[in-house]
Amino acid sequence: DTGVSQDPRHKITKRGQNVTFRCDPISEHNRLYWYRQTLGQGPEFLTYFQNEAQLEKSRLLSDRFSAERPKGSFSTLEIQRTEQGDSAMYLCASSALYGLETQYFGPGTRLLVL
Amino acid sequence: AQSVSQHNHHVILSEAASLELGCNYSYGGTVNLFWYVQYPGQHLQLLLKYFSGDPLVKGIKGFEAEFIKSKFSFNLRKPSVQWSDTAEYFCAVNSHSGTYKYIFGTGTRLKVLA
Repeated sequence: DTGVSQDPRHKITKRGQNVTFRCDPISEHNRLYWYRQTLGQGPEFLTYFQNEAQLEKSRLLSDRFSAERPKGSFSTLEIQRTEQGDSAMYLCASSALYGLETQYFGPGTRLLVL
Repeated sequence: AQSVSQHNHHVILSEAASLELGCNYSYGGTVNLFWYVQYPGQHLQLLLKYFSGDPLVKGIKGFEAEFIKSKFSFNLRKPSVQWSDTAEYFCAVNSHSGTYKYIFGTGTRLKVLA
């Protein structure tokens, strides 16, 4: 069990550029979550996948954000036309479909938009 | 609206002091409750969780928490803190059904002085 991994760990981009983050969940975990954490705040839910189906999206997820989990394994989160307000830590978590619904978090991708 | 409140944003203690961090939630229906810890430079790790049964739950590293349903509270305690407990602590809740997404509190930053 290698845990949840995320890539890249850090990303600096200029306003208006597109960025894509990747999350590899714990193998055999069916549920995958994306959260966003800004300074001084707790993580906020962005979106949820059960296998390859995206079943819930937060209102925080504007139309510039898109997430996929094409084969029910890894997931990507893309931000188009980045804005300075997108600067945050983007966290991925996974959990098993059945059981105690505990989520396991990755190290996060820290995004800085200049 | 669903929310989690952590009353103490910053706590400074000397080693061997006792710790209690408050967490109150507002959430309709049956909930699961969690405390996560984030050590400097590390990812979120589960400290303990409550799903049902005995409202006093014990977690790793000597931490415990008590669920008081009538007060909508899930306070974290440790009788004697160590310098290595310096970290940020997050309380989180999710529903017993649906997507199981977490609602997090804003976190409490604990500093333990050696």
